[in-house]
Amino acid sequence: GAGVSQSPRYKVAKRGQDVALRCDPISGHVSLFWYQQALGQGPEFLTYFQNEAQLDKSGLPSDRFFAERPEGSVSTLKIQRTQQEDSAVYLCASSLEGGGAYEQYFGPGTRLTVT
Amino acid sequence: QQQVKQSPQSLIVQKGGISIINCAYENTAFDYFPWYQQFPGKGPALLIAIRPDVSEKKEGRFTISFNKSAKQFSLHIMDSQPGDSATYFCAARDYKLSFGAGTTVTVRA
Repeated sequence: GAGVSQSPRYKVAKRGQDVALRCDPISGHVSLFWYQQALGQGPEFLTYFQNEAQLDKSGLPSDRFFAERPEGSVSTLKIQRTQQEDSAVYLCASSLEGGGAYEQYFGPGTRLTVT
Repeated sequence: QQQVKQSPQSLIVQKGGISIINCAYENTAFDYFPWYQQFPGKGPALLIAIRPDVSEKKEGRFTISFNKSAKQFSLHIMDSQPGDSATYFCAARDYKLSFGAGTTVTVRA
């Protein structure tokens, strides 16, 4: 079926605004990851879900970042009171099973620009 | 701190030449080492991957060499083509992926 989809693809926010980024994983994939990719850098881990449980949020850079996956499928990454340093591409990846045993498939990302 | 170090930052190769990208890691908990290819505006796409009990893996023009004792691994792109021009990331996985900083490869026709 379809791959991982993300929306919106591009988001411009004024500093201080809240934003919500959506990820639709591949149907049936248990694990979902969020990564942040700064310009010219490799992606960096933000958080990990297995079904609806958030098992690791150690990569979230501040308490302004919040992620959820309430029904174990679609996930939303929310950033409150955006700052310029939040400007990056936010990537979502999903995999078939938990524990990292399967390949992670990435979506196209959401490019967030904070002005 | 960056758990996977990647070099070079960029390279230029002539069509038909060989591109070599090197990576090193410290965390012995990593159990899987994938390489991703990324084009502008796209998400990373898995290219080839290796487990630490294997020293080499080849898929078409792409080969991974893995040295467990040195904690190093490398990607060789043989017979480089203009369509290979992209950014390549090495990564290492425990359950999440830790990425290198990336190598921009430019293949000149």
